[in-house]
Amino acid sequence: DAGVIQSPRHEVTEMGQEVTLRCKPISGHNSLFWYRQTMMRGLELLIYFNNNVPIDDSGMPEDRFSAKMPNASFSTLKIQPSEPRDSAVYFCASSKTDGHQPQHFGDGTRLSIL
Amino acid sequence: KQEVTQIPAALSVPEGENLVLNCSFTDSAIYNLQWFRQDPGKGLTSLLLIQSSQREQTSGRLNASLDKSSGRSTLYIAASQPGDSATYLCAVSNTGNQFYFGTGTSLTVIP
Repeated sequence: DAGVIQSPRHEVTEMGQEVTLRCKPISGHNSLFWYRQTMMRGLELLIYFNNNVPIDDSGMPEDRFSAKMPNASFSTLKIQPSEPRDSAVYFCASSKTDGHQPQHFGDGTRLSIL
Repeated sequence: KQEVTQIPAALSVPEGENLVLNCSFTDSAIYNLQWFRQDPGKGLTSLLLIQSSQREQTSGRLNASLDKSSGRSTLYIAASQPGDSATYLCAVSNTGNQFYFGTGTSLTVIP
C-alpha cells in the first residue's frame, strides 16, 4: 500500500502569495493530521480531522491558515496571504481512529516564503 | 497542555554500543506513547507504539519502556549501527489521536 502522499515536495514563493499544500492519506485511515516543523518550535500539530470533519484546529496559527478535507482521500492546507515566518516543513499524517494504531507520515512539503 | 522533553538533544556513540534515549512528559494520564525516527529531509517513521496499559514494546534491536507514574519512557537501542543515525522523537497522546512531540535526540553512530 502506498504511504501518505504530499505535494509539492518543495515550494518557493513570494510573500503575499497564496500557497496550497496537498495530502493523500493512506486508504482506510480515517484520521488525518497536519503538522508544521521548524528548528525553533519543533513539530506542532496544526489541525486534525476524523472522518473528514475537523476536530481540533487550535494549533492553526492565524486566520491566514485554513484546511479542508472534502473527502476521505484528499486534504489541503492553504495559507493566504503567505508571510516569511510561515517558512517551515509541513507534514501530513494519517492513522486509523482506534487509538491503537501508529501515525504514518508523508515526506513533507518544504515551504520557503521570500 | 502536555509537555514532552527529550534528553540528550544530541548523542554520538561508536558502532556496536548499546544506548538509551530518554523522554519525559508532564501529564501522566496518557493514552499511548509513540517513538519515531526521522532521517534528514524525510518524514517520521513510527518505530514503536506503547499503550498506556503496557510497560514495554520490542522490535528487533529496539526496546521501548513506559513508566506512566513517573512520566518517563526510554528507547533502548542494542548493538548500534551507522544506519541507526537519525533523529529520534517521542510523542505522547492523552486521547489516542492528538500527539504532543518532543524536540528529539539527534543520534550519530560512528563507524
